Amino acid sequence: QKEVEQDPGPLSVPEGAIVSLNCTYSNSAFQYFMWYRQYSRKGPELLMYTYSSGNKEDGRFTAQVDKSSKYISLFIRDSQPSDSATYLCATLGNYGGATNKLIFGTGTLLAVQP
Amino acid sequence: DAGVTQSPTHLIKTRGQQVTLRCSPISGHKSVSWYQQVLGQGPQFIFQYYEKEERGRGNFPDRFSARQFPNYSSELNVNALLLGDSALYLCASSLAIPGQGDGEQYFGPGTRLTVT
Repeated sequence: QKEVEQDPGPLSVPEGAIVSLNCTYSNSAFQYFMWYRQYSRKGPELLMYTYSSGNKEDGRFTAQVDKSSKYISLFIRDSQPSDSATYLCATLGNYGGATNKLIFGTGTLLAVQP
Repeated sequence: DAGVTQSPTHLIKTRGQQVTLRCSPISGHKSVSWYQQVLGQGPQFIFQYYEKEERGRGNFPDRFSARQFPNYSSELNVNALLLGDSALYLCASSLAIPGQGDGEQYFGPGTRLTVT
């Protein structure tokens, strides 16, 4: 079983739609969760960084963590064509206190149609 | 302020050759990590360095090695290249001390390596 599972999509929505992107993870010890946006042939860009459970909002983006079900979500309101990218969820693996290693899902390819 | 920078942008090598990739972290960041991203997959952790010491290694063969310099820049070396080493190699830097809580990591644009 992969440590972080993510539906690869692709997901296609019309401009202005609310987008919901989701991931599940296997290790209940994970505490930090991130969402990265990656445009084609570019490096990942940190969008949201959350600790433990709850919601975090930043502009049109909301990150949600449900530790009881090991489920993390990213919502994008009023989606724009410029939001078209691959969205990667990630958690921080802390193994024996020696390292902080990002563990990524496979990424979901999002296309927002004008 | 400059973000994480990587060089070269693109590289084409032949099987069996050796390659060196370079990374400069964000100013003030002492932790550098390397990731490999194969097309259609999420990045996979290769190494983490902090204060010139290796602090973590992913599940990669010994053909992969790295080092960090006193100015916190880093190099990733891959020997005896295989076709399967073709990927986007990403460098990420962080302010956090490894193993001490959280660590927002910021990525560079990557080096796209093609092995023929």
